Amino acid sequence: QQQVKQSPQSLIVQKGGISIINCAYENTAFDYFPWYQQFPGKGPALLIAIRPDVSEKKEGRFTISFNKSAKQFSLHIMDSQPGDSATYFCAASMITSGSRLTFGEGTQLTVNP
Amino acid sequence: DAGVTQSPTHLIKTRGQHVTLRCSPISGHKSVSWYQQVLGQGPQFIFQYYEKEERGRGNFPDRFSARQFPNYSSELNVNALLLGDSALYLCASSGYNQPQHFGDGTRLSIL
Repeated sequence: QQQVKQSPQSLIVQKGGISIINCAYENTAFDYFPWYQQFPGKGPALLIAIRPDVSEKKEGRFTISFNKSAKQFSLHIMDSQPGDSATYFCAASMITSGSRLTFGEGTQLTVNP
Repeated sequence: DAGVTQSPTHLIKTRGQHVTLRCSPISGHKSVSWYQQVLGQGPQFIFQYYEKEERGRGNFPDRFSARQFPNYSSELNVNALLLGDSALYLCASSGYNQPQHFGDGTRLSIL
């Protein structure tokens, strides 16, 4: 199966709080898991990505946690800011598919000041 | 450096017409992929081209076609437009097995 399931559909957090978005996948052949951030009227922008040989990757306020056995991965945004308000997409691909991305349904994040 | 550029930014067509969307990849990128993003959903893969050859095709009808030129730019063509083709069409470019970088898309509206 090629599906990637993402939750929640929408998320509201207060400034300074932690935003957590979860994704689950079915195809064990997936070997690359990026997160994209999309603002209205713009294309998705690569935020952070992980490969299944590590369980966690951190870049600034953004962290990916990866659980290979559960086939789940999540994005944590620490110290969330109003400027983080956007739609976030998880995705997955297989190196053998030439980086063709399968996206989740998206999470609309709102960070209140 | 310029990112992925797409043209036009907006387009309005009527049912039955055809449309051509264009994409210029980041300099040095030889792979171009096309995605369709319906409002409120994640992007859906349509095509990937690498070195001017089709390397993958998503679950889209034959009305959708694409090609890549020697300068690695690409066109997406859609024939016999349907109301359901209204969407944001995204182009992404990448180096071989490198992360994909997206343009801001072409917003296609079908009347």
